[in-house]
Formats: sequence, structure tokens, C-alpha cells
Amino acid sequence: EAQVTQNPRYLITVTGKKLTVTCSQNMNHEYMSWYRQDPGLGLRQIYYSMNVEVTDKGDVPEGYKVSRKEKRNFPLILESPSPNQTSLYFCASSALKRRGYTDTQYFGPGTRLTVL
Amino acid sequence: AQSVTQLDSHVSVSEGTPVLLRCNYSSSYSPSLFWYVQHPNKGLQLLLKYTSAATLVKGINGFEAEFKKSETSFHLTKPSAHMSDAAEYFCVVSDRAGGGADGLTFGKGTHLIIQP
Repeated sequence: EAQVTQNPRYLITVTGKKLTVTCSQNMNHEYMSWYRQDPGLGLRQIYYSMNVEVTDKGDVPEGYKVSRKEKRNFPLILESPSPNQTSLYFCASSALKRRGYTDTQYFGPGTRLTVL
Repeated sequence: AQSVTQLDSHVSVSEGTPVLLRCNYSSSYSPSLFWYVQHPNKGLQLLLKYTSAATLVKGINGFEAEFKKSETSFHLTKPSAHMSDAAEYFCVVSDRAGGGADGLTFGKGTHLIIQP
């Protein structure tokens, strides 16, 4: 079954304690990205990756890091989480039709993060 | 730059009555347009997409949307609402000139409530 998985689904942590949210897809997609969803703001892109070892900032990258060492995995790293990073996070993947265009996005189930 | 406006943050309809979720967009290029649905505690799922073929697009679960270039609209409709349609709906525009590699811009979402 084609899917995007994220772990953990729920996480409560404290300010400053480094954490990683994993994301994995089994569709051999080149493109992967991370979004955060906040009430009234919709989804905002944090980082994206066009392929292995190719990552770039989205609209709200501050306080986040990513890596893309393998095609299937795209972890999101919060080196020193702060309460304003409390949010619902989604990983997504898609095929690339050509530069600048992605195909349908496949979303993971989400990770609800609370930073105290 | 592209943008997308979902005209209603909440829509409430009775079961069995028609659904209309409104979306307007702006784009400098020929955009691709998508509707995604998010059920509670779930990731986003593609309902339908327009990519410059037929202007009336049929999606899953009886939903459809019509691309109207003259009105810059892409409204989502369904003839008869079902209780299982209760969810958050996102209109998304993809424009080569938009932000990020995928050029995706998400609307802020419309919460659809189905009254029994």
C-alpha cells in the first residue's frame, strides 16, 4: 500500500530538548516536504527536498532542520524546541513531473507536537 | 505571486442537501488546482485536481469542482451531503511562480459541518 508514515504521532516535550520526527514514504517519490498546520493559518511549508541531498527552505524554516540522506526518508529536526513550535506537522511526498511542478501530494497522518 | 482564498471558514448544511465550498485564486500562470479533505486526526487526502484538461472535474465520494477562469474560481460541490463528509477542506493552487519547489499555496480551510 502506498503510504507516508510519520513517527511519533503525538509528542509532548519541554523547551530546549532536541527531537526528531521521522517521515518515510514507499512510493519512490523524489519530492518530500514538511508542513505545519495551525488554526486559522492553514498549512505552511517548512522545508522541502527535490531529491537525495537536495533540501531547501519553505515559508517558515526558522527553528527547524531537515536531512535527506535516503530517498524514502525525510526527518524533521528541532534542535531546541520552543513553545511557538507547538503545532500539527505533516510530511508529504510526490513525484516530480518537471522542475517546479509536483504531482499529487501524499500526506502522512500528522504529528501533534506540544512544547511546554 | 499566487494566492488562494476560501471564502467561508465554516459551512453548515443538512444531510441530504447540496454542498458548496467556495474557492477563488489568483495566479500569473496557468495554475493547477486541487481540493484536499482532512478528516479529524487524519492527514490530507486528495479529492480532485484540475490540470488544464476538462474544466469540470469529478473527484472521489461524489464531489466535483468547476474551473472558471473568467471568475478565477474553483468551487467544490456535492449534490447530497452525507454525515461522513464532515471534515476540513483545503483548496490548493499550484503555480510555477509560487513559493517552494512545488509552488503550492494552501487556502486556510473550510470546516464543513453536516447537520442530521
